[in-house]
Amino acid sequence: SQTIHQWPATLVQPVGSPLSLECTVEGTSNPNLYWYRQAAGRGLQLLFYSVGIGQISSEVPQNLSASRPQDRQFILSSKKLLLSDSGFYLCAWSASGQGETQYFGPGTRLLVL
Amino acid sequence: GDSVTQMEGPVTLSEEACLTINCTYTATGYPSLFWYVQYPGEGLQLLLKATKADDKGSNKGFEATYRKETTSFHLEKGSVQVSDSAVYFCALPPTLSGGYQKVTFGTGTKLQVIP
Repeated sequence: SQTIHQWPATLVQPVGSPLSLECTVEGTSNPNLYWYRQAAGRGLQLLFYSVGIGQISSEVPQNLSASRPQDRQFILSSKKLLLSDSGFYLCAWSASGQGETQYFGPGTRLLVL
Repeated sequence: GDSVTQMEGPVTLSEEACLTINCTYTATGYPSLFWYVQYPGEGLQLLLKATKADDKGSNKGFEATYRKETTSFHLEKGSVQVSDSAVYFCALPPTLSGGYQKVTFGTGTKLQVIP
């Protein structure tokens, strides 16, 4: 069966520090991968998606970036965090091609102080 | 473009009350429709889905019927429990649109069930 992992679960970082969040998927090949952000009390915002290794598309301009160095690994990064980067970050995957059901990881709660 | 409009929350109900969370959509063709649930402090889980018109998705006592005439996919449960307290998201699936993967989630409806 497929599983999706995210770490760390919780992170407190100072403004201006770098960020690296990791997401890995097991039990499937060539998945579509997604990074979402959920600000407190708000809905989901799609940040990045990837249909393959090295293929990253961004939905919104920001100081975050994403990379997919391996088929089942998706990394969210920042060189300098802003206060507004605080939120709940969710990674998800769906089957390749026309994605249908998305399967979400447990999320990483990021607090930037 | 594709969009999902979801009932504003929060919704507060007593245990064993009936629940309806409204969801309407705008999309090209007849996509699958989804309800996801997010329990406090967790990621989203697929609750149910329907893949074509008039399909009824069901899980854990929740039901939703794909109504193409009204472009709706309302979530219902006859008797809610405290453990149903969560945020519920109506969603369209990821689709290729002009070369981009578009994913559309509703804004989420927070449900609180009190004993």
